[in-house]
Amino acid sequence: DAKTTQPPSMDCAEGRAANLPCNHSTISGNEYVYWYRQIHSQGPQYIIHGLKNNETNEMASLIITEDRKSSTLILPHATLRDTAVYYCIVRVGNNFNKFYFGSGTKLNVKP
Amino acid sequence: GAVVSQHPSWVICKSGTSVKIECRSLDFQATTMFWYRQFPKQSLMLMATSNEGSKATYEQGVEKDKFLINHASLTLSTLTVTSAHPEDSSFYICSARTSGRNTGELFFGEGSRLTVL
Repeated sequence: DAKTTQPPSMDCAEGRAANLPCNHSTISGNEYVYWYRQIHSQGPQYIIHGLKNNETNEMASLIITEDRKSSTLILPHATLRDTAVYYCIVRVGNNFNKFYFGSGTKLNVKP
Repeated sequence: GAVVSQHPSWVICKSGTSVKIECRSLDFQATTMFWYRQFPKQSLMLMATSNEGSKATYEQGVEKDKFLINHASLTLSTLTVTSAHPEDSSFYICSARTSGRNTGELFFGEGSRLTVL
């Protein structure tokens, strides 16, 4: 699976959009981009994933560049409860591939 | 989303004892489950893949005789830390994937915090 690079930490004001970048320059054509987050001392929570097209759900939006070498997770209106470590993972989207976690980005949402 | 439950959520044991952690998929069947370990302020490290009805496959550097994994049914996988020592103290997290026509996301348990005295 391709390796991902994320900034170690980011700050965001409450109510503003949080834009979390992820570089995956070695991604291959059949690898999906997944985003998870982990709130302190809990198991990771699935947020969103995509292959080529931008995706949106009730939690977030995922913007994938045309060359697929990077992506951005957008939390449109960050709240204090969104403070967590956000992980970007790329993997082949079948039933047998594993998830390897990188170091992630610690998002600090401030009042 | 699908629900994965772990038990116990925390456990304290004496050095040299064995500890069993259970991982259950509550509302779906999981032919494959994954076990992770997480030390403080670090990321999750994949330990092993648990396959229903067959032997687990371990990641490089993980001692299979130390961390025994059993996946006896489609809804239950267990991780046993044998002869635990203080350096085994960690946050252990399991995950499972729903089978069938889906996009392949993993669902994670709440984690089990092990403290070895």
